[in-house]
Amino acid sequence: EAGVAQSPRYKIIEKRQSVAFWCNPISGHATLYWYQQILGQGPKLLIQFQNNGVVDDSQLPKDRFSAERLKGVDSTLKIQPAKLEDSAVYLCASSLESVMNTEAFFGQGTRLTVV
Amino acid sequence: GQSLEQPSEVTAVEGAIVQINCTYQTSGFYGLSWYQQHDGGAPTFLSYNALDGLEETGRFSSFLSRSDSYGYLLLQELQMKDSASYFCAVSGTYKYIFGTGTRLKVLA
Repeated sequence: EAGVAQSPRYKIIEKRQSVAFWCNPISGHATLYWYQQILGQGPKLLIQFQNNGVVDDSQLPKDRFSAERLKGVDSTLKIQPAKLEDSAVYLCASSLESVMNTEAFFGQGTRLTVV
Repeated sequence: GQSLEQPSEVTAVEGAIVQINCTYQTSGFYGLSWYQQHDGGAPTFLSYNALDGLEETGRFSSFLSRSDSYGYLLLQELQMKDSASYFCAVSGTYKYIFGTGTRLKVLA
């Protein structure tokens, strides 16, 4: 079974530039999550999709972050414009269920450095 | 709101037993999960407790007390490769929230 795929693995951009991350979840997983993990901290949930609908985006900085999951499969997360404090690893995860999330499967993440 | 608390760091020697605690506050609680994350790696699932009591999986065990909003991860016969960060995560209604993580250092 293929795992969660993310790209790119690394990205370095200047502040005020734009960047986009891509995620392909495990086939058949209805729920997709984007987490931001700053060095030394736990993953912080940015947005959670159930199929192609958003079930939680309360911690997504909507003035600069956006995410979509067209057709309920792949997802993209965009930052525009980026700030220095956005430097972090962006993790995508997926799970079978949404109500009873027993296990999330993570991709390797995209390490973003904003300079 | 939702919150989870874990100790920031734990140190133990090879072969020892260590317990990592997690207290949580959440609505719509379904269960408590534990993840391991090595530096530079992705979090990987270790265990899940939905009911009170102890779940054992090899050298790792996880405990949950729903009435106390408390759980712990027990690691036995510690090995150097267990040096990593450990996160508890709460499954709530349409949410999956992680704690701040406990960095475990295993000394030779």
